[in-house]
Amino acid sequence: DIQMTQSPSTLSASVGDRVTITCRASQSISSWLAWYQQKPGKAPKLLIYKASSLESGVPSRFSGSGSGTEFTLTISSLQPDDFATYYCQQYNSLFTFGPGTKVDIK
Amino acid sequence: QLQLQESGPGLVKPSETLSLTCTVSGGSISSSSYYWGWIRQPPGKGLEWIGSIYYSGSTYYNPSLKSRVTISVDTSKNQFSLKLSSVTAADTAVYYCARLMTTFDYWGQGTLVTVSS
Repeated sequence: DIQMTQSPSTLSASVGDRVTITCRASQSISSWLAWYQQKPGKAPKLLIYKASSLESGVPSRFSGSGSGTEFTLTISSLQPDDFATYYCQQYNSLFTFGPGTKVDIK
Repeated sequence: QLQLQESGPGLVKPSETLSLTCTVSGGSISSSSYYWGWIRQPPGKGLEWIGSIYYSGSTYYNPSLKSRVTISVDTSKNQFSLKLSSVTAADTAVYYCARLMTTFDYWGQGTLVTVSS
């Protein structure tokens, strides 16, 4: 089965910062990768699918890139609503989530 | 607007069977475009996919849980259900149901199930 890792596990940033989160797969997953945002007590929200496609209604400050085994989620200018935990998820072979990256206030 | 709502007991005894139902509103569970799935999240931890089902009843499960999981669908009620047998404290989690096209795009609010005597 495919294992997912994320780095960093926690990221402290300020409003306006450019933020990058990395996700790696244990084997190639082509572009079958999604990113989710989760806030405390809430269900995850789909942000990005197929590595770089923005889900409808998601602000354009979010972007995704990568293919194969290495992927990134970038927030171009961090907003107060963006402090949350972010998960990557592969869907090349069944479904596996990464361990998450918590973005908190610096 | 599509909505999913989980329901079921919030407390289950060890060794018993956890049973949850997801009711879909604002759309048909019989749509040929979608699967439906269950995902769980232990308190303070990450997300784990449990399994998924098509309206026809076709299922696929997480291999690590497959021996204990059954997912079924009731198209007449626009619902799908999860049964997890022989539960232990490690099965304590928030359980989410979700719509699956290629990714999980609509989620229920989640329901906490605690395994304890």
